[in-house]
Amino acid sequence: DAGVTQSPTHLIKTRGQQVTLRCSPKSGHDTVSWYQQALGQGPQFIFQYYEEEERQRGNFPDRFSGHQFPNYSSELNVNALLLGDSALYLCASSAGLAGGAEQYFGPGTRLTVT
Amino acid sequence: GQSLEQPSEVTAVEGAIVQINCTYQTSGFYGLSWYQQHDGGAPTFLSYNALDGLEETGRFSSFLSRSDSYGYLLLQELQMKDSASYFCAVRTPDQTGANNLFFGTGTRLTVIP
Repeated sequence: DAGVTQSPTHLIKTRGQQVTLRCSPKSGHDTVSWYQQALGQGPQFIFQYYEEEERQRGNFPDRFSGHQFPNYSSELNVNALLLGDSALYLCASSAGLAGGAEQYFGPGTRLTVT
Repeated sequence: GQSLEQPSEVTAVEGAIVQINCTYQTSGFYGLSWYQQHDGGAPTFLSYNALDGLEETGRFSSFLSRSDSYGYLLLQELQMKDSASYFCAVRTPDQTGANNLFFGTGTRLTVIP
């Protein structure tokens, strides 16, 4: 049973560039949430996708956007990268829109903006 | 707004018991989750409390008091591999009926021999 997978593992981008991160949820899960985790901090909720729609959004600017595909996989896009966007980006999946108590996290993508 | 408070660091001896507290202030509340994260790893789910009381899962137990907006994670028979960061996370609703997790800043547990 495959868990949550994310790609790439690491990424280095220059300020002002755009980046796309990818996530495949755990088998049987249909809801994907994205989190940003700065060093020494807890994960911060970015947004959640269910049935290919953004259902909930945290306090992140419009530079952060996403997409969910019919196979439940998801992408996170960040435009006009800032140095402060450097962080670990985590994808988490769960079953159903209200099944958020137990979320399964992927290994994350470490984004470094220079 | 929402906020969670938990100690930033805790040190305990191998074989001992340690309690990590979490207090929260949220505009809505479904329940309290606990996650473990080793350095360089992904958060992994430990427990969830929606109702008051104690939930036990092996060496780990979690407690919730909704009236006090307080919970704790109890780790027994500590092992060196328990050295990690532990996060409490509040499950909160929004107007769509969806829910997400709002995480605290984490408690770094160091287990010493």
